[in-house]
Amino acid sequence: DIQMTQSPSSLSASVGDRVTITCRASQDISSSLAWYQQKPGKAPKSLIYTASNLLSGVPSRFSGSGSGTDFTLTISGLQPEDFATYYCQQYKSYPLTLGGGTQVETK
Amino acid sequence: EVQLVESGGGLVQPGGSLRLSCAASGFTFSSHWMTWVRQGPGKGPEWVANINQGGSDKYYVDSVTGRFTISRDNAKNSLYLQMNSLRADDTAVYYCARTDPYNSGWFDQWGQGTLVTVSS
Repeated sequence: DIQMTQSPSSLSASVGDRVTITCRASQDISSSLAWYQQKPGKAPKSLIYTASNLLSGVPSRFSGSGSGTDFTLTISGLQPEDFATYYCQQYKSYPLTLGGGTQVETK
Repeated sequence: EVQLVESGGGLVQPGGSLRLSCAASGFTFSSHWMTWVRQGPGKGPEWVANINQGGSDKYYVDSVTGRFTISRDNAKNSLYLQMNSLRADDTAVYYCARTDPYNSGWFDQWGQGTLVTVSS
């Protein structure tokens, strides 16, 4: 199974900050990586697929990069609605696996 | 508008069974792989199972293999998860999710979830 490791597990930031979340795969997954945002009590929402492609309607302050084993999600100019938990997911092979999450909290 | 509405969750005793349903609307259901994802209390999401458009290909996470069965009825635009021999660690919110338009394996639309609690 491919293990997905996110870091940090939590971070504190302020509105307007640039935030970077890292996701590492235990083996090469090419660009088969998605990112999701989840707010308390809500279902996850998809943000990015194929490592760097933004879904329609996702603000351009979100961006993704990376390939192989190392990936990043960047939020450029954190907004109040961005405080949430973020998960990465690999879909290179079964079982499909997700990272443990990164909680973005207000400083 | 894409809608996925889960139902069927509830409280069940260890060893019991439950059948979850997901009613889909707003898209061509028969064109997409579909997925069940669960999230235990205080945990991250975990992929459980998915099924191809016609229902002939199914994949499961090891922990549910042999106990859970995913199925679909394209005529009813519905996805199902039959859960047998339930254990306490199956307690979670279960989400129905649509697999991406390219059927690559990521999830582009999610339902609101249904809570399954396994406890005596």
